[in-house]
Amino acid sequence: ETGVTQTPRHLVMGMTNKKSLKCEQHLGHNAMYWYKQSAKKPLELMFVYNFKEQTENNSVPSRFSPECPNSSHLFLHLHTLQPEDSALYLCASSQELGDSYGYTFGSGTRLTVV
Amino acid sequence: EDQVTQSPEALRLQEGESSSLNCSYTVSGLRGLFWYRQDPGKGPEFLFTLYSAGEEKEKERLKATLTKKESFLHITAPKPEDSATYLCAVQGGSGNTGKLIFGQGTTLQVKP
Repeated sequence: ETGVTQTPRHLVMGMTNKKSLKCEQHLGHNAMYWYKQSAKKPLELMFVYNFKEQTENNSVPSRFSPECPNSSHLFLHLHTLQPEDSALYLCASSQELGDSYGYTFGSGTRLTVV
Repeated sequence: EDQVTQSPEALRLQEGESSSLNCSYTVSGLRGLFWYRQDPGKGPEFLFTLYSAGEEKEKERLKATLTKKESFLHITAPKPEDSATYLCAVQGGSGNTGKLIFGQGTTLQVKP
């Protein structure tokens, strides 16, 4: 484990389902991030949270809804997804926003939308 | 628009055969250039941050260098355990948004 734990590791959902991804870190970091990694594409930033407050929404469709109840937990609520949303969803954290010491990533949730 | 391009897309080396990975970037106001390693089924693992042209950093068989337009990741005498996808990312802009722009990665395979 890297210090950032993501659950579940794999998720298959239908287009009408509602599911949530969970991310947890106990590194004492103040910033958390959601990234999407699709096949043959670069990692794409989705959301940024700093001290529980959302500071960046990278034009993400409303069918993705993030939630950050505290600095240690981050959720991504999913509803009415499309097959093209199938991807690896990565959570990351850093001590400070844009920390130059790098981000700590979780192992991701492999999402398949059928 | 900030952009990162990595080449080659894939690289096969024999054990001990040194080579370099390229990361070309365009960014308004570079705050940092990052290298990550990603193993299959795992998230990226931080390797280096470079801040200004001329800077170099080393870790075991890896050495990262930076110019005003590109960064290189030099791999000296690689071993099979160096096989992974190497990602380059930049952070730029006048404000600190925490946003990293990633390249598509170079997948390295080192054969024994």
